[in-house]
Amino acid sequence: QVQLKESGPGLVAPSQSLSITCTVSGFSLTSYGVHWVRQPPGKGLEWLGVIWAGGITNYNSALMSRLSISKDNSKSQVFLKMNSLQTVDTAMYYCARDRAGYYGNYFDYWGQGTTLTVSS
Amino acid sequence: DIQMTQTTSSLSASLGDRVTISCRASQDISNYLNWYQQKPDGTVKLLIYYTSRLHSGVPSKFSGSGSGTDYSLTISNLEQEDIATYFCQQGNTLPPWTFGGGTKLEIK
Repeated sequence: QVQLKESGPGLVAPSQSLSITCTVSGFSLTSYGVHWVRQPPGKGLEWLGVIWAGGITNYNSALMSRLSISKDNSKSQVFLKMNSLQTVDTAMYYCARDRAGYYGNYFDYWGQGTTLTVSS
Repeated sequence: DIQMTQTTSSLSASLGDRVTISCRASQDISNYLNWYQQKPDGTVKLLIYYTSRLHSGVPSKFSGSGSGTDYSLTISNLEQEDIATYFCQQGNTLPPWTFGGGTKLEIK
């Protein structure tokens, strides 16, 4: 059974950094990529970045300078790190499994999401 | 970047109705169009990929169609459990992968 679960700090002060962990089960990170997607309150979904099975990463160019995605295959964990946080970064953060191939790129399983509030 | 537009931000329908949600891409995306359902508790699930292919476990009441820049998701026999926000996403080869703004489905 494929599962992803995010865990994060919940509340971060402006200008500080963020680290969110996505712990997966039911599949191997050496075989699948994992994406990060966020959703500000009352708004739509925004793709943040992906770490592919081989460890290569791609980022949303608008956030690239502040984002870093890494993983620990042995622990089945993927990490999202973002620095210089502002109130506009307040959002629900999701990790999702990648399915890239003949049918294009899509996200077949999602975590429940973790809420991040940036506030002093 | 490819822009995805869902012109209907909210839609009200009756139980048992058949509803259609539309999505338009800013350029031809060659059927690389996916649909997701987000429940009020935030849970997100893949419904359809590559325009019309049903994800595992998704009931056949959901169907997708379209080509080029225009795509749609149809839900037949609307039930209470279908109350959710529906997002389209273009899955073209290169990032960034972008989503439509969402269509919130409500019961009349």
